[in-house]
Amino acid sequence: SAVISQKPSRDICQRGTSLTIQCQVDSQVTMMFWYRQQPGQSLTLIATANQGSEATYESGFVIDKFPISRPNLTFSTLTVSNMSPEDSSIYLCSVEGGTSGTYEQYFGPGTRLTVT
Amino acid sequence: GENVEQHPSTLSVQEGDSAVIKCTYSDSASNYFPWYKQELGKRPQLIIDIRSNVGEKKDQRIAVTLNKTAKHFSLHITETQPEDSAVYFCAASTGGYQKVTFGTGTKLQVIP
Repeated sequence: SAVISQKPSRDICQRGTSLTIQCQVDSQVTMMFWYRQQPGQSLTLIATANQGSEATYESGFVIDKFPISRPNLTFSTLTVSNMSPEDSSIYLCSVEGGTSGTYEQYFGPGTRLTVT
Repeated sequence: GENVEQHPSTLSVQEGDSAVIKCTYSDSASNYFPWYKQELGKRPQLIIDIRSNVGEKKDQRIAVTLNKTAKHFSLHITETQPEDSAVYFCAASTGGYQKVTFGTGTKLQVIP
């Protein structure tokens, strides 16, 4: 499976500021996904990032709030803009990368964000 | 869109007993059903998955069954051990770089 890293691992930010989270994969992948996991909750997909095209956002998530970049096949960033305490959450990237014909998704270690 | 329901939300079992977690999905186009284990403070880890052309799959102490007609799938853990304690998520997808929809999670506690 792919080795996925995220930076930063955690951060404490003031409301009104922005944070950019980086996701790096050790192999080329077609699709990268960004999820949010609020405390004690399940995983909610924010958007899907395909290299060379605009990210596709899920209902309830907008580009102005969560701009995403995907400059190449091994890297993506998610920015959480104009943060409020409600944005406090764990943000995880994932990639789809199994053997040919399989759909396994693997997750990065996550970024724990606290907004004060 | 896809909706995945998961039950129970919490489950306590004695060490050595079996644990069963059940999920239902709504989209008949879904054909890939992974299960993830998430330990406290860790990332979700894929533990087993099943495709819609298979009714059952086993991997040592864990097994997953799928009833495509009823849109049900279940995770079975036998001979539970304390290290099985974690939150388990079921999920459904149409596969092929498509989104994965997660269930609400089951917190499993294995009592020594």
